[in-house]
Amino acid sequence: QSALTQPASVSGSPGQSITISCTGTSSDVGDYNYVSWYQQHPGKAPKLMIYDVSNRPSGVSNRFSGSKSGNTASLTISGLQAEDEADYYCSSYTTSSTHVVFGGGTKLTVL
Amino acid sequence: QVQLQESGPGLVKPSQTLSLTCTVSGGSISSVSYYWSWIRQPAGKGLEWIGRIYISGSTNYNPSLKSRVTISVDTSKNQFSLKLSSVTAADTAVYYCAREIGGRRHFDYWGQGTLVTVSS
Repeated sequence: QSALTQPASVSGSPGQSITISCTGTSSDVGDYNYVSWYQQHPGKAPKLMIYDVSNRPSGVSNRFSGSKSGNTASLTISGLQAEDEADYYCSSYTTSSTHVVFGGGTKLTVL
Repeated sequence: QVQLQESGPGLVKPSQTLSLTCTVSGGSISSVSYYWSWIRQPAGKGLEWIGRIYISGSTNYNPSLKSRVTISVDTSKNQFSLKLSSVTAADTAVYYCAREIGGRRHFDYWGQGTLVTVSS
């Protein structure tokens, strides 16, 4: 069982927007702005898409945005494209001795 | 452009020690700005952080693996390594090395990953 809770799957049509949630606790997501999101295509390494809740690394499309409210962080992808179909993982700083916790992952299907 | 590359045996027998090395190129492993981590992913499952090392040699490990894990660094070779002892089939996974930005718990560069299978 993962420390952060994500929906197993989400889907959307090209051009639409989708949001993936990531729920933690006050020991991680709720009290720290160190939430990040990763995109992983099959057989590939994860790619950093969002860090520190809402910052995009250089080269990441501005169609990807992040936010946080309370113990829940969210990743929004606007203007869905076929290449966005992938698994998405959230992670967070945690005060527990595990140092970093991941969500279980969400499979995004572009219909 | 920073690159990380894992290397090591793809097959390890049960009860033996898994050993992997991550070679960093395009940047110095001695930078004070980064931590160097190992993360694994069993087939079809999520990511699990194994542990990390800082250039000072300071380490942090996932409590669930702490008794079996050792991470070390070799600055002369720009490499860091993972040893996981007493492996079982449950340790079969793709193992990634990754760079963490200054304790902020996000990983900006990852290796391509290497599959390690535990089987006799």
